[in-house]
Amino acid sequence: EAAVTQSPRNKVTVTGGNVTLSCRQTNSHNYMYWYRQDTGHGLRLIHYSYGAGNLQIGDVPDGYKATRTTQEDFFLLLELASPSQTSLYFCASSDGGSYAEQFFGPGTRLTVL
Amino acid sequence: QQKVQQSPESLTVSEGAMASLNCTFSDGTSNNFRWYRQHSAKGLEVLVSIFSDGEKEEGRFTAHLNRANLHVSLHIREPQPSDSAVYLCAVGYGSSGNKLIFGIGTLLSVKP
Repeated sequence: EAAVTQSPRNKVTVTGGNVTLSCRQTNSHNYMYWYRQDTGHGLRLIHYSYGAGNLQIGDVPDGYKATRTTQEDFFLLLELASPSQTSLYFCASSDGGSYAEQFFGPGTRLTVL
Repeated sequence: QQKVQQSPESLTVSEGAMASLNCTFSDGTSNNFRWYRQHSAKGLEVLVSIFSDGEKEEGRFTAHLNRANLHVSLHIREPQPSDSAVYLCAVGYGSSGNKLIFGIGTLLSVKP
């Protein structure tokens, strides 16, 4: 089973602050994903990647950048954080393709004051 | 874009009684449907994945898919209090089907 870890687990920042959320997977999956989860919404896809150096735009990308430095590591960057980005963020990885499972990390709770 | 709706929003059942959760979607061309469980804003645990019409069983969890009716359901046999959680329906989309769109979830409470 894929192991997906996220750090930090909790983060508080102020409006305009700079935040980096980290995700690492250790099962050699090609695809990695960043989602946000908010009350009244399902998980929504922010960005995803199918390999080191690759970045694909998801459904709610505004205000977010991402970078995939290695096959294992995928980072989500908020360069000017806003209160609307207060959310629970999940990272996931998969082999890709319709039938591949997505394995999720434990989540990072971000609060922007 | 694919839209996913779940019902009911919340459900309370007694321990041992069958629990049934519903999910409707807008585009029947997807072939990738999954049910996840989430305990108290923690990570997601995949319960059942189903890729064709019919039934798929994984232990106490059974998914039924009917793409013509744009419907997928999850039935939990003999639920326990430890099954109390939010259950999320996810539908694959995109050219490779490797992206998921999620419903808002059903909050299941299992009473002893």
